[in-house]
Amino acid sequence: DTGVSQDPRHKITKRGQNVTFRCDPISEHNRLYWYRQTLGQGPEFLTYFQNEAQLEKSRLLSDRFSAERPKGSFSTLEIQRTEQGDSAMYLCASSLTRDTNSGNTIYFGEGSWLTVV
Amino acid sequence: AQSVAQPEDQVNVAEGNPLTVKCTYSVSGNPYLFWYVQYPNRGLQFLLKYITGDNLVKGSYGFEAEFNKSQTSFHLKKPSALVSDSALYFCAVRAFSGGYNKLIFGAGTRLAVHP
Repeated sequence: DTGVSQDPRHKITKRGQNVTFRCDPISEHNRLYWYRQTLGQGPEFLTYFQNEAQLEKSRLLSDRFSAERPKGSFSTLEIQRTEQGDSAMYLCASSLTRDTNSGNTIYFGEGSWLTVV
Repeated sequence: AQSVAQPEDQVNVAEGNPLTVKCTYSVSGNPYLFWYVQYPNRGLQFLLKYITGDNLVKGSYGFEAEFNKSQTSFHLKKPSALVSDSALYFCAVRAFSGGYNKLIFGAGTRLAVHP
C-alpha cells in the first residue's frame, strides 16, 4: 500500500495522559498536513509542514499539542495532558508541490481515533 | 474568509435515480474545489477536483461535479446512484494563506441510497 499510513488506528487513554500519533506520507510527498475531525463535523486544519518546516499552525492547536517532521518524511503529533475534548479522529494527509499532473491533490490517511476517558 | 457550505445534512435517493449533493463556496481569487467521500470509520477518499478548464469535472466511481462561477457552486452529481454510494461527502476549497495552502471543508452531507 503506497497511501498515507497512520498509527495507531485507535487509542483509548485516560485523561491527563500523553499520546503520540505517527503519520507516514506518500513517498516523496513534501507537504504533510494534520487535521482533526469530530463526529458530525468536517475535518478542521491543525498544522502543515513543507519538508521538515512547520509552516502554519491553527489556533485549534493549543500548547498541549506539538507536531514534528524531523527529517521531512514521517511526522508525529503529540498531545500532552489529554482532555476529554481531545477525543476525535486525527487525520494526516500529504501532497506533492509542483506536480502538474495531480494539481496538488491532498491525499488522506485512514485516521487515528482518540478516545479520552 | 474562505468557506464552504453544504446546505443539506442528508440526501436520500433511490437506487438507480440521479443524485446531487450541493456545495457553495466563498473564496477570494480563483477557487480550487474538491470533493471527498468518507465511509464509516475511514479516512477521506479523493473523488474529483476543479482547478481550471471545463466546468464539468469527472471523477472516480462515476461521479462528476459542475463548477458554476456565477452561483459560486460546485455540486456533486451522479446519473445513477448505487447503494454502495451511501457515505459522507465533503466539499472543500483550497485556501491560500501566507503563501501556503490548506483545504477548508464543509460540514459534510450524508448520502443515503435506498434499494
